[in-house]
Amino acid sequence: DVKVTQSSRYLVKRTGEKVFLECVQDMDHENMFWYRQDPGLGLRLIYFSYDVKMKEKGDIPEGYSVSREKKERFSLILESASTNQTSMYLCASSLAGGGINEQFFGPGTRLTVL
Amino acid sequence: AQKITQTQPGMFVQEKEAVTLDCTYDTSDQSYGLFWYKQPSSGEMIFLIYQGSYDEQNATEGRYSLNFQKARKSANLVISASQLGDSAMYFCAMREEHGSGNTGKLIFGQGTTLQVKP
Repeated sequence: DVKVTQSSRYLVKRTGEKVFLECVQDMDHENMFWYRQDPGLGLRLIYFSYDVKMKEKGDIPEGYSVSREKKERFSLILESASTNQTSMYLCASSLAGGGINEQFFGPGTRLTVL
Repeated sequence: AQKITQTQPGMFVQEKEAVTLDCTYDTSDQSYGLFWYKQPSSGEMIFLIYQGSYDEQNATEGRYSLNFQKARKSANLVISASQLGDSAMYFCAMREEHGSGNTGKLIFGQGTTLQVKP
C-alpha cells in the first residue's frame, strides 16, 4: 500500500517559533505537495516539488519554505510562525505524468499557533 | 485562470437513496483530469474516481459515478445507495495535463459536506 506519513497529527507552537513539518512517502513518487486546508476554502497549494532539490511555489507560498533533499522526504518550514498559519496541513505525493496518477495524502497535521 | 466550484456547502440524503454532488470547472486547456476525493471526519483524503477530459464514457467505481458534461464544464459525483459511512466532506479537483510539463498539480473546490440520515 502507498503510504504517506506526516511527523505529527497535532502541533501547538508559539508565535515567532520556527516550525518544521515533515512528510515521507514510500512509493518512489516524483511529485510531492504541501497543502493547507481551511473551512470554506478547500485545499490550497503552498509548495510542490517534482524532483529532488526542485521546488515551485503554489498559490499561497508566503510565510513558508520547503526542502527536498531526498526523493522520499518533503519538509515544510514556517520560518516564524504566526497565528494566521493555524490550519490543517496536508502532504501528498504522486507519480509524474498524466492519466490517473492520483495524489496520495498523509493523515494531516493540525497546527495551532498561539 | 483555472477554477473549481462546488456550490453546495452541505447536503443531506436518506440512507439507501442516491445523491448528486455538483462540481463545475473552468479551464482553457483541452487536456485535463478531474478527481473526486472523500474526507471523513478522521481527516484522511481518500481518492474516489477520475475522469480524463478525452474519456468519452463517464467514469464509474462501484457506487460512485462521475456525470461528465464537457460542454457545460461540469463533473458531478453521483453516489448510489447511500450508506451511513458515506457521511464525509467531498472535494472535486482538476489537474491540467501538458505531457512532459505535467506537474501533477491539483486545484480543489471548496468541498461539500454530505450527511447520510438513517
